[in-house]
Amino acid sequence: DAKTTQPPSMDCAEGRAANLPCNHSTISGNEYVYWYRQIHSQGPQYIIHGLKNNETNEMASLIITEDRKSSTLILPHATLRDTAVYYCIVRVANFGNEKLTFGTGTRLTIIP
Amino acid sequence: DAGVIQSPRHEVTEMGQEVTLRCKPISGHNSLFWYRQTMMRGLELLIYFNNNVPIDDSGMPEDRFSAKMPNASFSTLKIQPSEPRDSAVYFCASSLTGEAYEQYFGPGTRLTVT
Repeated sequence: DAKTTQPPSMDCAEGRAANLPCNHSTISGNEYVYWYRQIHSQGPQYIIHGLKNNETNEMASLIITEDRKSSTLILPHATLRDTAVYYCIVRVANFGNEKLTFGTGTRLTIIP
Repeated sequence: DAGVIQSPRHEVTEMGQEVTLRCKPISGHNSLFWYRQTMMRGLELLIYFNNNVPIDDSGMPEDRFSAKMPNASFSTLKIQPSEPRDSAVYFCASSLTGEAYEQYFGPGTRLTVT
């Protein structure tokens, strides 16, 4: 699976959009980008995933560059409850490869 | 649905003792994962099962660790004998096969070995 690079920490003001970058310059054509987050003392939580098109759900939007070498997770209106560690994961999605490899992630702090 | 259930939530034991962690996956999910999280090593996958069969146990640190899944609704992770370096938070997660991108994690078991 391709390696990802994320900033170790970020701050964002409450109510503003939080934009979390992820670099995955070695991604291959059949690898998806997944985002999870882990709120303190809880298990990780799935947020969103995508292959090459931008994706949006009730939690966030995922913007993947045209060359797929980087992506951005967007939390449109950050709240204090969005303070968490956010993990960007790249992996091939096929049966027999159910593994998720978590890196160190980005610690996002929402400031009141 | 109650989500993934883990027990106990906290376990304190002495070095050399046997420890058993338990997990009940979400009903209908057929993939189950055991992870360990420490400050030093982050979140690591130990083993995962598909339809109760262990598929990949390459993350199991050593022979002191063993995991079983006797049926679709129950799994155990056993450490025997336990050591202080096993102190960590152990998470269980489950998913539908083919949708493993969306793994549902339990609340974790915080293990302290003194």
